[in-house]
Amino acid sequence: EAQVTQNPRYLITVTGKKLTVTCSQNMNHEYMSWYRQDPGLGLRQIYYSMNVEVTDKGDVPEGYKVSRKEKRNFPLILESPSPNQTSLYFCASSDYIGDETQYFGPGTRLLVL
Amino acid sequence: DAKTTQPNSMESNEEEPVHLPCNHSTISGTDYIHWYRQLPSQGPEYVIHGLTSNVNNRMASLAIAEDRKSSTLILHRATLRDAAVYYCILRQFGNEKLTFGTGTRLTIIP
Repeated sequence: EAQVTQNPRYLITVTGKKLTVTCSQNMNHEYMSWYRQDPGLGLRQIYYSMNVEVTDKGDVPEGYKVSRKEKRNFPLILESPSPNQTSLYFCASSDYIGDETQYFGPGTRLLVL
Repeated sequence: DAKTTQPNSMESNEEEPVHLPCNHSTISGTDYIHWYRQLPSQGPEYVIHGLTSNVNNRMASLAIAEDRKSSTLILHRATLRDAAVYYCILRQFGNEKLTFGTGTRLTIIP
């Protein structure tokens, strides 16, 4: 089954404690991205990657890092989380060479205390 | 990014057609019109997209105005499972980025 998986699905942490949210897709997609969703603001893109070792900033990259060492994985790293990073995070992937569809993961709900 | 305007919310009766409008008066010639929906507690999912002509798929139909300044997503026979937030998005050809607005929250009345 074609899917995008994220782990963990729920996470409570404290300010300053480094964390990583993993994202993996099994569709051999080149393009992957991270979004955050906040009430009243919709989904906003954090970072994206066009392929292995190619990443770029989205609209709200401050406080986040990403890496793309393998095609299937695109982890989101918060090196020093702050309460304003409390949000719902979605990973997405697509095959921009063909299919127009972006596939989204189930989401990771993060609470930073 | 070109902007879209949608009603904040709509209601429809179960088993009736639903027409979800979207205005995009600043659309450019290379913008595709995409629709995604987000069911409760899930990530967004693709519904349909088009450029100039009307489009149909197993989920919905997309009617695009002749001047492309507006479009309508049509659910032919709404079910309770169609209750979701529907997003109309303009996506430039060759650009994977999706810019989400606040969408239309569709409520289905049994």
